[in-house]
Amino acid sequence: DAKTTQPPSMDCAEGRAANLPCNHSTISGNEYVYWYRQIHSQGPQYIIHGLKNNETNEMASLIITEDRKSSTLILPHATLRDTAVYYCIVRVAGMNTGFQKLVFGTGTRLLVSP
Amino acid sequence: EAQVTQNPRYLITVTGKKLTVTCSQNMNHEYMSWYRQDPGLGLRQIYYSMNVEVTDKGDVPEGYKVSRKEKRNFPLILESPSPNQTSLYFCASSSASGRRRPGELFFGEGSRLTVL
Repeated sequence: DAKTTQPPSMDCAEGRAANLPCNHSTISGNEYVYWYRQIHSQGPQYIIHGLKNNETNEMASLIITEDRKSSTLILPHATLRDTAVYYCIVRVAGMNTGFQKLVFGTGTRLLVSP
Repeated sequence: EAQVTQNPRYLITVTGKKLTVTCSQNMNHEYMSWYRQDPGLGLRQIYYSMNVEVTDKGDVPEGYKVSRKEKRNFPLILESPSPNQTSLYFCASSSASGRRRPGELFFGEGSRLTVL
């Protein structure tokens, strides 16, 4: 079973911020939160990841709650090209345990409209 | 250019005719994995490999085989394909030692398989 829960779909107006939530209430202390997105039927692409601190890169920001049971991916100025399915996964980043079964779930389908 | 390459990208075949989908990565990654994607079911892991000669089942391994004889290659084998294996398949690879983005998965572009 998926270890994360995401809304199936969200809408966002072009130019506005898109805030995509993810619940991961059973996350362990050594598990990172990763976000990927999949445009059409292409291979998923990495967006951002974090452990407990908020993170920002050129694509997005990741806000993780203090108890780490949920997080939000923020696309600050959504464009039409951000229309995609967004996946939130949790995993340990290490060879011994983190590279085994990775559960992607069904993600959130974000539709950015003009 | 760092990439994961899958072949074929598209294939239509018939029930029972053995086929192999190849996956190759040029990043010297230890970890490789296969996923299938079906409408409404998201990405489901078929098999994964932690390194050469080390493979294990994911969530939906039935009807599939894999091998990891070389670090760069991780072929997916369907010995006797059936229509319920019609799906979009993705190969992915990752390195535990990636300092910038530890654990980042790199995906191939996908292989769309139809079994009649």
